[in-house]
Amino acid sequence: QIQLVQSGPELKKPGESVKISCKASGYTFTDYAMHWVKQVPGKGLKWMGWINTYTGKPTYADDFKGRFVFSLEASASTANLQISNLKNEDTANVFCASLRFAYWGQGTLVTVSS
Amino acid sequence: DVVLTQTPPTLSATIGQSVSISCRSSQSLLHSNGNTYLHWLLQRPGQSPQLLIYSVSRLESGVPNRFSGSGSGTDFTLKISGVEAEDLGVYYCVQGTHAPYTFGAGTKLELK
Repeated sequence: QIQLVQSGPELKKPGESVKISCKASGYTFTDYAMHWVKQVPGKGLKWMGWINTYTGKPTYADDFKGRFVFSLEASASTANLQISNLKNEDTANVFCASLRFAYWGQGTLVTVSS
Repeated sequence: DVVLTQTPPTLSATIGQSVSISCRSSQSLLHSNGNTYLHWLLQRPGQSPQLLIYSVSRLESGVPNRFSGSGSGTDFTLKISGVEAEDLGVYYCVQGTHAPYTFGAGTKLELK
């Protein structure tokens, strides 16, 4: 069956970087775009952007331009999100999602605290 | 950006009751290709969101048929015909017609 499995929770200090992975299985990785979605604890969903898994071209929402990088390891059916120069407001659960949001990862909690 | 306004923000229901959630868009969600990319998700407490309805009214595989979606243009509705305990959580509408994708603020379904 189709699964998206994300890397584990992260505890970082302000100014550090973090890389989150999302490994897909059960389908051809390059068939569907991969979206990234942020959820601050207790709040709603916010779309961060998506990456074309066939071409590798990323598209970022305005609030996620500059410090955020989407990348692929296509041979490993994995999408990655790297966030640099972390800020307290980056504390959130981050999800990957594919196929018009039909499949979701379990979420990766990123906590930024000094 | 397209703003999706969901009402009500909170909904209290008894088991077996039928309820509806509205999602109103600031722009028409009819794409130039003739499709309307308005979807409905449910996020149960502590879980990842789950797709219920895609493209306004298409039931995702495995989703019970007590869920239904309707609407066009800027006004959309999710209906649950006979709430069950497992339906509790937060419902979101999301649009993909216009970049960037945007989500509604959510409607929390609680037991009365």
